[in-house]
Amino acid sequence: NAGVMQNPRHLVRRRGQEARLRCSPMKGHSHVYWYRQLPEEGLKFMVYLQKENIIDESGMPKERFSAEFPKEGPSILRIQQVVRGDSAAYFCASSPTGQGSEAFFGQGTRLTVV
Amino acid sequence: DAKTTQPPSMDCAEGRAANLPCNHSTISGNEYVYWYRQIHSQGPQYIIHGLKNNETNEMASLIITEDRKSSTLILPHATLRDTAVYYCIVRPGGNTGKLIFGQGTTLQVKP
Repeated sequence: NAGVMQNPRHLVRRRGQEARLRCSPMKGHSHVYWYRQLPEEGLKFMVYLQKENIIDESGMPKERFSAEFPKEGPSILRIQQVVRGDSAAYFCASSPTGQGSEAFFGQGTRLTVV
Repeated sequence: DAKTTQPPSMDCAEGRAANLPCNHSTISGNEYVYWYRQIHSQGPQYIIHGLKNNETNEMASLIITEDRKSSTLILPHATLRDTAVYYCIVRPGGNTGKLIFGQGTTLQVKP
């Protein structure tokens, strides 16, 4: 059973470009979470999704950031018009149920905005 | 905001038990205690979780006090590869499922 797969592992974008980060949850997992870790800082929750639904987006910046988890395919975190402050590690986690079960993390995507 | 308090750093000798404390005095009845760790800049790794009973798995043991206001993660025989930031997390109730990470404890295992 493969773990949570994130791609790309490293992504370089110029200011103003779009970044698309992909997350394939573990088999059988229908809950996906996205976290961001700025350099030298802790992990911050961004968004929690189930298939085709956003459950909690309380940690998402109000502008330029969006997330989806379609019925088929991976979850996508999309950042439009990236700025240097978006440079960070973005981690995805998945779990089989929302409560009382462990969430497993991927190895992250390191976004660098130049 | 995180609902837990952990010491910022600890040292442990290789081969000895590492005992990492965590205070969660405002924990509610349906909230679980989770432990994760992050080695260098890798993705967080699940260690163990519990509700009110002590738990043990191949990685660690979790001791939760009877009043559930604090817990201790025990790594029975620490190795250099256990050097990491350890996070104690109280998972909110309801169906949100999200984990709120605090600053954690940086454990340095020394030879």
